[in-house]
Amino acid sequence: RKEVEQDPGPFNVPEGATVAFNCTYSNSASQSFFWYRQDCRKEPKLLMSVYSSGNEDGRFTAQLNRASQYISLLIRDSKLSDSATYLCVVKGGGNKLTFGTGTQLKVEL
Amino acid sequence: DARVTQTPRHKVTEMGQEVTMRCQPILGHNTVFWYRQTMMQGLELLAYFRNRAPLDDSGMPKDRFSAEMPDATLATLKIQPSEPRDSAVYFCASGSRPLTDTQYFGPGTRLTVL
Repeated sequence: RKEVEQDPGPFNVPEGATVAFNCTYSNSASQSFFWYRQDCRKEPKLLMSVYSSGNEDGRFTAQLNRASQYISLLIRDSKLSDSATYLCVVKGGGNKLTFGTGTQLKVEL
Repeated sequence: DARVTQTPRHKVTEMGQEVTMRCQPILGHNTVFWYRQTMMQGLELLAYFRNRAPLDDSGMPKDRFSAEMPDATLATLKIQPSEPRDSAVYFCASGSRPLTDTQYFGPGTRLTVL
């Protein structure tokens, strides 16, 4: 079983739609959680951290469920510019970040 | 606008040749990471430095890969000899532990080994 698992997609959604991604992780001792965004042929960039209480940044909401070991990302009112690959990232021991293989989102007119 | 820089951006070489990739972390950052990204495996951590000291290189094939930080402004990743299966995008990232877990990625080196 992979340490971090994501549905690769692609998720094809119309502009304005709400879309949600989930990610599961295997190490119950994982300490920190993040979502990174990666545009085609570009480097990954931090989108947001994920806190136990959940957090929101504009149209983006991230939540963590430690009991079930999954993380979610909700995007409301999708824009064309949201089209990208979203990487779920988990920090375990030793300061190492483990990246999921990503979920591809395509927002269409 | 501080950024991680990597050179070269693209490299095409023949099997058996030596490849050296360079990374300049963001000034003041004390952690440097090397990752490899392929379609099949996603992002894999190869090596990790903190204050220039190698802390973890368990993800790196030791027989052909080596990573060093000769000074605080330069990290290198070397492959010798290169093989076609090394074809991938190699990213360098830097961070500032323990202040934050955030890693800032460079633009990557796209390596093709023929």
